[in-house]
Amino acid sequence: QSALTQPASVSGSPGQSIAISCTGSSSDVGGSNYVSWYQQHSGKAPKLMIYDVYKRPSGISDRFSASKSGNTASLTISGLQAEDEGDYYCASYSGSFTYVLFGGGTKVTVL
Amino acid sequence: QVQLVQSGAEVKKPGASVKISCKASGYTFTKYIMHWVRQAPGQRPEWMGWITPDNGDTKYSKNFQDRVTITRDTSASTAYMEVRSLRPEDTSIYYCASEPRNRPLYYFDFWGQGTPVTVSS
Repeated sequence: QSALTQPASVSGSPGQSIAISCTGSSSDVGGSNYVSWYQQHSGKAPKLMIYDVYKRPSGISDRFSASKSGNTASLTISGLQAEDEGDYYCASYSGSFTYVLFGGGTKVTVL
Repeated sequence: QVQLVQSGAEVKKPGASVKISCKASGYTFTKYIMHWVRQAPGQRPEWMGWITPDNGDTKYSKNFQDRVTITRDTSASTAYMEVRSLRPEDTSIYYCASEPRNRPLYYFDFWGQGTPVTVSS
């Protein structure tokens, strides 16, 4: 099974909005509502930012929003802040072999 | 607050086994699914398996089912993962992660601090 495809890097200035895409197939992103996004700061464990395609866990800023269209999910960060720098991974349920696939990760840089 | 505390770093030779522990606190251990996820340096996370602590049911990724065993000790609120026949490519940080749902949706809500495992001759 192929992994999910994300851009290697995305950057923006403070206050701007950026979007990160996550492209899979009809076997994972396109066929599943179990899509999630994780933020990872250097040397730290990942942190759940989005689940069920667009829902935010308690305590996650509403600057983070997400959606899905066809085989591509997207994470948008609005009002970019320095603390948003890090790696972002998408993940999707993918059936009964590996069960969940992760994207390759996107490095977000705040200019 | 939910806290997952893992055992310390390990260095192993190829062919050896490693067993990592994950002690949970801040919630009823038997009510959350416990997953194990690994992440090699500079790579994406990779899901390995889960256990439902109340009854001990397990599920493994096909990539690991022959070499990995996940167990738990409910009296100690601790989950364990053993990896056998280690190879250099198993060098990774291994995380436990809990999911507060009554069935696995493969969301990793709470994470341990990670256990680095190095496999080298």
